[in-house]
Amino acid sequence: EAQVTQNPRYLITVTGKKLTVTCSQNMNHEYMSWYRQDPGLGLRQIYYSMNVEVTDKGDVPEGYKVSRKEKRNFPLILESPSPNQTSLYFCASRPRIPGDRVTGELFFGEGSRLTVL
Amino acid sequence: AQKITQTQPGMFVQEKEAVTLDCTYDTSDQSYGLFWYKQPSSGEMIFLIYQGSYDEQNATEGRYSLNFQKARKSANLVISASQLGDSAMYFCAMREGVDSSASKIIFGSGTRLSIRP
Repeated sequence: EAQVTQNPRYLITVTGKKLTVTCSQNMNHEYMSWYRQDPGLGLRQIYYSMNVEVTDKGDVPEGYKVSRKEKRNFPLILESPSPNQTSLYFCASRPRIPGDRVTGELFFGEGSRLTVL
Repeated sequence: AQKITQTQPGMFVQEKEAVTLDCTYDTSDQSYGLFWYKQPSSGEMIFLIYQGSYDEQNATEGRYSLNFQKARKSANLVISASQLGDSAMYFCAMREGVDSSASKIIFGSGTRLSIRP
C-alpha cells in the first residue's frame, strides 16, 4: 500500500529534550515536506526537500532541523523543543513535477501530535 | 507573495443540502494549481479535488466540484447533497508554477463544516 508513515503519532515531552519525528514514504517520491498545523493558521511549511541531500527552509523553520540521506526518509529534528512547538505535524510527499501525475497533490502521513511541557 | 484566504471559520449545513466553501487566492504567477483537502476528526489529510489554472472547465470529483473563477481569483468548493460524513475541516491550497519541481503548496486557515441530521 502506498503510504507516508510518521512516528511517533503522539508524544509528550519536556522543554529542551531533543526529539526526532521520523517520516518514511514508499512511493519513490522525490519531494518531501514537513508542515505544522495550528488552530486558525492552517498548515505552514517548516522544511522541504526536492531530493536526496537537497533541503530548504519553508515558512517557519526556526527551531527545527531536517535531513534527507535517503530518498524514502525525511526526519524532523527538534534539538531543543519549546512549548511554542506544541502542534500537529504532518509529513508529506509528492512525485517530481512534471511527471506521471499531472496534479502533483501532496500525500500526507497521519500526523504526529506533539506536546512540549 | 502567494496567499490563500478562507473567510468562513465554521459552517453548519443541513444534511442533503448543497454547501459552498469559499476560497480566494492571490498570486502573480500565470501558472498555478488549486487543491482542496478534507481533514476529518481523525486527523488525516484527504485530497479531494484539483484545478489547474489553464483548465477551462471546472473540476469535478463525484459530489465535489470546484467553482473556479479565475478573474475573481476564487476557487470555491461545492459539495452536493451533503452527508453526515462530510463533517470535517476543509483546506484550500495552492501551488504556484505548475511545472516546477520546487513549487511548494500553501494552505488556507481552513473551514470547519458541520452537517446537521
